[in-house]
Amino acid sequence: AQSVTQPDIHITVSEGASLELRCNYSYGATPYLFWYVQSPGQGLQLLLKYFSGDTLVQGIKGFEAEFKRSQSSFNLRKPSVHWSDAAEYFCAASNTNAGKSTFGDGTTLTVKP
Amino acid sequence: NAGVMQNPRHLVRRRGQEARLRCSPMKGHSHVYWYRQLPEEGLKFMVYLQKENIIDESGMPKERFSAEFPKEGPSILRIQQVVRGDSAAYFCASSWKGGQSSYEQYFGPGTRLTVT
Repeated sequence: AQSVTQPDIHITVSEGASLELRCNYSYGATPYLFWYVQSPGQGLQLLLKYFSGDTLVQGIKGFEAEFKRSQSSFNLRKPSVHWSDAAEYFCAASNTNAGKSTFGDGTTLTVKP
Repeated sequence: NAGVMQNPRHLVRRRGQEARLRCSPMKGHSHVYWYRQLPEEGLKFMVYLQKENIIDESGMPKERFSAEFPKEGPSILRIQQVVRGDSAAYFCASSWKGGQSSYEQYFGPGTRLTVT
């Protein structure tokens, strides 16, 4: 069955520190991969996506993610976290047969001053 | 260009009532997806529709839930005889047709349903 796993339920980092949020997927073939951010009570905003090509993708708000086929991973990174980055982050995947996305359960990011 | 619109944003229903959730996709988008988010969980796919067609309803509960996307007007997710377990945030997403763009989904702000 297709699945997306985010191993870390909750991560706390200090403002200005670097960040890495983990995402692993299990699909029959390499899926399209996405990272979304959700602020409390809000919808989801797309941070970045990977379809093919360069395995390091740049997104909005200074985020980037690296696709590693050998590890079935698509980890999200940011070199220096800002307090406004505190939110919930979701990794998602879609395959080529249907547009629906499978989401991980999310990682809640807390930023300490 | 307005984003995906959902209304109402908050909906309170008593057990046994009906809930109707509406979603207007972004202009030019012909694909609509509904997802449900239970507290402390990620989004779970429910149904994928194009105009007048249900493409994939593999995530829809077998009873009480239905969805439509008519030729004119918004997509509607209908929940009949709601129960407390239906309390959740329901998100709609839309995408443009064709190629890789059809996999880039734009999400609405969600409807938060509370069943009392």
